[in-house]
Amino acid sequence: SYVLTQPPSVSVAPGKTARITCGGNNIGSKSVNWYQQRPGQAPVVVIYYDSDRPSGIPERFSGSNSGNTATLTISRVEAGDEADYYCQVWDSSSDHPVFGGGTKLTVL
Amino acid sequence: EAQLVDSGGGLVQPGGSLRLSCAASGFTFSTYSMNWVRQAPGKGLEWLSYISSGSSVMYYADSVKGRFTISRDNAKSSLYLQMSSLRAEDTAVYYCARVSSAFRYFDYWGQGTLVTVSS
Repeated sequence: SYVLTQPPSVSVAPGKTARITCGGNNIGSKSVNWYQQRPGQAPVVVIYYDSDRPSGIPERFSGSNSGNTATLTISRVEAGDEADYYCQVWDSSSDHPVFGGGTKLTVL
Repeated sequence: EAQLVDSGGGLVQPGGSLRLSCAASGFTFSTYSMNWVRQAPGKGLEWLSYISSGSSVMYYADSVKGRFTISRDNAKSSLYLQMSSLRAEDTAVYYCARVSSAFRYFDYWGQGTLVTVSS
């Protein structure tokens, strides 16, 4: 089955840029979605189709995908961005969704 | 706006059964495929099961295949997950999630319902 690899944690100072990676074999050929999950809450999509933002998601959130790595970039990080972030794709062989292990973003 | 409300969780003994429900509102439920996703305490998201809009296609993760059954009642705008032969490792918060009609991502999630498997 398809495996997505994320760093367990990323730390960033307020106002700086956070980059969260999601590694997978030729992930650039897949459509990647990113979800934000704050403690005690359900996940919320912040990026879909590699780089599209749903309405209501700040422009500070952006995504890219190429080769074996997809990246979620959060510019001008705020305290409220502190959360767990998960990447997700559909495994083409099984047509099942697959989630990365998640990355805890800490705002210093 | 679309809303999903999960219910049915609780404490169940190992080997027991439980049925989860997800009540949908604010959209035409019968036109969307639906999924169940769970999250064990302190762990990541795990996809469990998918059902197409008309119930003709269903998929399961290997971890629950043969033990869990997904179903839906479009007349009641409700999604279900029948869980049997429950194990301690099934302890988790269970979410229903809708797949966007335009792109394949989970655009709406229920609030989750906690299932605890323990004697």
